[in-house]
Amino acid sequence: NAGVTQTPKFQVLKTGQSMTLQCAQDMNHNSMYWYRQDPGMGLRLIYYSASEGTTDKGEVPNGYNVSRLNKREFSLRLESAAPSQTSVYFCASSELAGGPNEQFFGPGTRLTVL
Amino acid sequence: AQTVTQSQPEMSVQEAETVTLSCTYDTSESDYYLFWYKQPPSRQMILVIRQEAYKQQNATENRFSVNFQKAAKSFSLKISDSQLGDAAMYFCAYSGTYKYIFGTGTRLKVLA
Repeated sequence: NAGVTQTPKFQVLKTGQSMTLQCAQDMNHNSMYWYRQDPGMGLRLIYYSASEGTTDKGEVPNGYNVSRLNKREFSLRLESAAPSQTSVYFCASSELAGGPNEQFFGPGTRLTVL
Repeated sequence: AQTVTQSQPEMSVQEAETVTLSCTYDTSESDYYLFWYKQPPSRQMILVIRQEAYKQQNATENRFSVNFQKAAKSFSLKISDSQLGDAAMYFCAYSGTYKYIFGTGTRLKVLA
């Protein structure tokens, strides 16, 4: 099992460019998440999908959109990248949302916006 | 709204010694779970330990144990016999009805 995979691992964008971060999990989990990690800020939730067909905003959704393509895949799109979106992005999944469910994380994508 | 606070940005411990990382949280929910995750330099997040709020007994996983004080809303992580491989960022996390909330993390350095 690969667990949670993310592509790409690294990306450099210019201000205004768009891109999509891909995430897939092979654990048959219902819930998936996108976080960003910035120094001193911890992990902040961008969007989550409690189950296939649903998506909800997290703490910092502005400038992002998501698509839960199917049960396995959850993508994050930056429509017009800004330097403030320079960060490390993590995708995670869990069997169900909240409660005792451990989150399993991907390896992260380091994004730099110039 | 729920909050998670880790007031120690960085801690150091001598190899083989014991260190305690602090975490406090705030919530009005009665049923919730608390977690500690480890993020080594590889960036891969790993679950260290989990505690259910209804269980009074503190969770233990080998050299890792927690001190859960529900009334004080405190959830500290104790690492015994620290090893070089314990060097990492440690995140405290709260899980309630639908989603997690993470603290800002504590970077643990282990000195040889």
